[in-house]
Amino acid sequence: DVKVTQSSRYLVKRTGEKVFLECVQDMDHENMFWYRQDPGLGLRLIYFSYDVKMKEKGDIPEGYSVSREKKERFSLILESASTNQTSMYLCAIQGSGKNIQYFGAGTRLSVL
Amino acid sequence: AQSVTQLGSHVSVSEGALVLLRCNYSSSVPPYLFWYVQYPNQGLQLLLKYTTGATLVKGINGFEAEFKKSETSFHLTKPSAHMSDAAEYFCAVSPASGGSYIPTFGRGTSLIVHP
Repeated sequence: DVKVTQSSRYLVKRTGEKVFLECVQDMDHENMFWYRQDPGLGLRLIYFSYDVKMKEKGDIPEGYSVSREKKERFSLILESASTNQTSMYLCAIQGSGKNIQYFGAGTRLSVL
Repeated sequence: AQSVTQLGSHVSVSEGALVLLRCNYSSSVPPYLFWYVQYPNQGLQLLLKYTTGATLVKGINGFEAEFKKSETSFHLTKPSAHMSDAAEYFCAVSPASGGSYIPTFGRGTSLIVHP
């Protein structure tokens, strides 16, 4: 079974805090993704990574950064959280040359 | 460039009735097509996919979808809805060639099943 683990299911943070969302995989897949999911908007890609220390912007990178120091771990960072970043965040992995994505259970972040 | 349109943000059916969730796509290259399902408080999981070959594909839990190139559609169906089918369903498209396999997702359709 593919395992994609997101460190927190629920988080409550205050405006201006630095927030770290962690994602760990056990499949040795090269590609890792961060999405945010909002009602009526579906999944929107924030950042993705093809390899260690490599990152690419997705469709909505503003206000976010990422880190991939090890192949199995991909972190999403909110440098200064704002209320409009309240959302569900989903991590996904994808094998190189493959098409199927495998998702973590998600982190529901509330910024107050 | 690629995009996905899911018609209807909510679909309501009675238990035992036919389920039909609509998905239309646009793609500048031949596409791979997917349906994912998201149960409450969970991540997405693959329901079924079309890559090549037979245009009618079967997935888990009795769902199937048909790729119709002329209509640029990939509608999801199930003959008889069950209460456990209540979930959010996402259609996705990715290029079959060109190097990038990053999917584009539709906005999702919430399936409501009434007893």
